Amino acid sequence: DAEITQSPRHKITETGRQVTLACHQTWNHNNMFWYRQDLGHGLRLIHYSYGVHDTNKGEVSDGYSVSRSNTEDLPLTLESAASSQTSVYFCASSESKRGGTDTQYFGPGTRLTVL
Amino acid sequence: LAKTTQPISMDSYEGQEVNITCSHNNIATNDYITWYQQFPSQGPRFIIQGYKTKVTNEVASLFIPADRKSSTLSLPRVSLSDTAVYYCLVGAAAWGSNYQLIWGAGTKLIIKP
Repeated sequence: DAEITQSPRHKITETGRQVTLACHQTWNHNNMFWYRQDLGHGLRLIHYSYGVHDTNKGEVSDGYSVSRSNTEDLPLTLESAASSQTSVYFCASSESKRGGTDTQYFGPGTRLTVL
Repeated sequence: LAKTTQPISMDSYEGQEVNITCSHNNIATNDYITWYQQFPSQGPRFIIQGYKTKVTNEVASLFIPADRKSSTLSLPRVSLSDTAVYYCLVGAAAWGSNYQLIWGAGTKLIIKP
């Protein structure tokens, strides 16, 4: 069955370190998204991608970067981790190019703690 | 930009109908309204989506008034397994340079026996 996976599921790192969170989907979806989820804020969009070599900033992109070299993967990099980036991170994918009207399929999440 | 507001929490009992309302006063013409359900330690899961009037599927109904400034998710005859957080999402139908997905903060629904 098609799925979307994230790794690691849990990560503890130190302030200033570079961290990369992996996201892999086998739906063959064009669109992929990265969100962070914090209490009281719901989900906030970090970056999204329409397809290979395409990336776009979301509402909370500062301190994060992504690259899309193939359809299946969209890794999220924290260039220099900060305590404010302690959060649960979700990756999602969707099929068409219509954006917000598509059904998004979410991964299980990565819980990141920055000490 | 559309901002979504929904109640922080709600309680109900098994077998009851539950209605959760989301306010989105600044919704744009191209925006659709989507609801997701999230269980602990899982990613959100799609429930239903609509643009205007009423949409119904096998698990829920979505009511959207003519002015589209709010929407109501209706869950018929809830069970204990419907205990979850429910998110309202407002998003554009077409990708553009100012595209954003605006999620509500979520409504924690607790179903009691």
